[in-house]
Amino acid sequence: DAGVTQSPTHLIKTRGQQVTLRCSPKSGHDTVSWYQQALGQGPQFIFQYYEEEERQRGNFPDRFSGHQFPNYSSELNVNALLLGDSALYLCASSLFRRDRKNEKLFFGSGTQLSVL
Amino acid sequence: KQEVTQIPAALSVPEGENLVLNCSFTDSAIYNLQWFRQDPGKGLTSLLLIQSSQREQTSGRLNASLDKSSGRSTLYIAASQPGDSATYLCAVRPIAGGTSYGKLTFGQGTILTVHP
Repeated sequence: DAGVTQSPTHLIKTRGQQVTLRCSPKSGHDTVSWYQQALGQGPQFIFQYYEEEERQRGNFPDRFSGHQFPNYSSELNVNALLLGDSALYLCASSLFRRDRKNEKLFFGSGTQLSVL
Repeated sequence: KQEVTQIPAALSVPEGENLVLNCSFTDSAIYNLQWFRQDPGKGLTSLLLIQSSQREQTSGRLNASLDKSSGRSTLYIAASQPGDSATYLCAVRPIAGGTSYGKLTFGQGTILTVHP
């Protein structure tokens, strides 16, 4: 049973460019969340997708956008890259529960983005 | 605004020692608290999840406690091993109407090194 898979594992971009990161959720999961983890920091919540819609968003600018496909996979897009966007980007999947407080997240290994 | 703090930032111990990692949070309105492990450049692995109504959870050599009223949690690791070396993160799931279910708020982590 495949877990959460992310691609690519590493990426190098220059300032001003655009990047797309991809995530395939764990089999049977329907919800995807994205987190940004700067070096030496804990992950910061970017947004969550369920039923192909953004359901919740953290304190990130509109340069960060996403999409969820009918097969539940997801993309994270970042436009006009800044040096400060260099980080590990983590995808987490879960199965929707009406009682979402007990929802358990499973994390992928992340995409390491370096902006030069 | 919920803030999560972990102390110490780094810890180095000899193999076999018992140790305690600390986590504090500023807002007691949480559904649950989780402890994660993260190996260098990797994603997060969930270790223990404590519901807000619970006081502790145990898994093998790990024991996590929660004192929601004081905003504190501890992770106790018994008989530490070199394989326990990793970054340990705590995260809370805040209560904020019906829209915060997808969001975890993380601490910055404790880097643990267990030397032979």
